Amino acid sequence: NAGVTQTPKFQVLKTGQSMTLQCAQDMNHNSMYWYRQDPGMGLRLIYYSASEGTTDKGEVPNGYNVSRLNKREFSLRLESAAPSQTSVYFCASSVSGGARSSDTQYFGPGTRLTVL
Amino acid sequence: DAKTTQPNSMESNEEEPVHLPCNHSTISGTDYIHWYRQLPSQGPEYVIHGLTSNVNNRMASLAIAEDRKSSTLILHRATLRDAAVYYCIPSSGGGADGLTFGKGTHLIIQP
Repeated sequence: NAGVTQTPKFQVLKTGQSMTLQCAQDMNHNSMYWYRQDPGMGLRLIYYSASEGTTDKGEVPNGYNVSRLNKREFSLRLESAAPSQTSVYFCASSVSGGARSSDTQYFGPGTRLTVL
Repeated sequence: DAKTTQPNSMESNEEEPVHLPCNHSTISGTDYIHWYRQLPSQGPEYVIHGLTSNVNNRMASLAIAEDRKSSTLILHRATLRDAAVYYCIPSSGGGADGLTFGKGTHLIIQP
């Protein structure tokens, strides 16, 4: 049982390049989330998917797109990377309901992205 | 959204109890209080959560004030591995369906 896995672990992009961050969970969870964490700050929600086939914007969605490929996988795409998107990206999952219930969120190890 | 106030940092000695406070005076009656921690260079991990009464698990205890405007995370016997940033998160703070992380409390454990 690997929990939540993320690839890649590290990535360096040039301004304007695109890339997709991958996330998968093997806990049969319904809800999945993407957060970003800037240095010295707490995490901020980018997008979430309450269930397979649905996605919704979080606090900071601009510049990102997401795809809930199936129940296990939730990807985050940067179409045209900008230096302001330099951050650590965390994927998380929960059984359902996320913060509005008592559900626990389980986090992946993160992807450290630098945009030059 | 419920706002939280936590000390920026706290220091404790190994094998001593640690009490981490959190004020959440605008919490609503249906909000759970979640605590997560983040070890260096890792993703956050769940510690404990509660609604009204005190809660215990293998990692920690959570003491919730009777008026629910504050709570305290208690580590009964801190180890060096407990050095982390601890986040107190009321459940409605995320808008949408996510968690809203503030800056948390950086816990330093001295050997």
